[in-house]
Amino acid sequence: QKEVEQNSGPLSVPEGAIASLNCTYSDRGSQSFFWYRQYSGKSPELIMFIYSNGDKEDGRFTAQLNKASQYVSLLIRDSQPSDSATYLCASSSARQLTFGSGTQLTVLP
Amino acid sequence: NAGVTQTPKFQVLKTGQSMTLQCAQDMNHNSMYWYRQDPGMGLRLIYYSASEGTTDKGEVPNGYNVSRLNKREFSLRLESAAPSQTSVYFCATSGTGVHEQFFGPGTRLTVL
Repeated sequence: QKEVEQNSGPLSVPEGAIASLNCTYSDRGSQSFFWYRQYSGKSPELIMFIYSNGDKEDGRFTAQLNKASQYVSLLIRDSQPSDSATYLCASSSARQLTFGSGTQLTVLP
Repeated sequence: NAGVTQTPKFQVLKTGQSMTLQCAQDMNHNSMYWYRQDPGMGLRLIYYSASEGTTDKGEVPNGYNVSRLNKREFSLRLESAAPSQTSVYFCATSGTGVHEQFFGPGTRLTVL
């Protein structure tokens, strides 16, 4: 069974701090990894994806992938109250995504 | 462009009733998916369609049927609704490449 594990939180950080969200996956055949943001009552919104080992930066967001450790992370720099949401990690294999249950992030003003 | 649309937004059913959830996309994507999302359980795949004319079961297909009507439309049918099917249902689409998926706004279904 393919699994993606996330710490459900809640994770609270002060405004301006770095938020670190972590994810592990079980399927070594997974090819790509995705981070989605989901505001309460809304649908998941793609933030970024990564498929090569190392870091990938997009604005205030950095995704990190370590395939040997089967570990994916998302760093949010200069966190803002508007970043408060649930963050979903997903892995891709054979055109299907397997999602973690999400980490709830609260950024305190 | 509307992206991915779903109808209805909300629905209340009684046990045993049937209904069809509709999904349409204007992104020209080949693949379409139906998920359900329950508190604490993340998104679980019900059915997917890799291309027009094909459908496959996902993780939780029991109690559901799907139809890929054409490239744009993918419907999900509950033949005899049960309270365990109370959930939020999301449709998603995916093109070629790294297979990122784009989600519709969701349908909130309550089965009494």
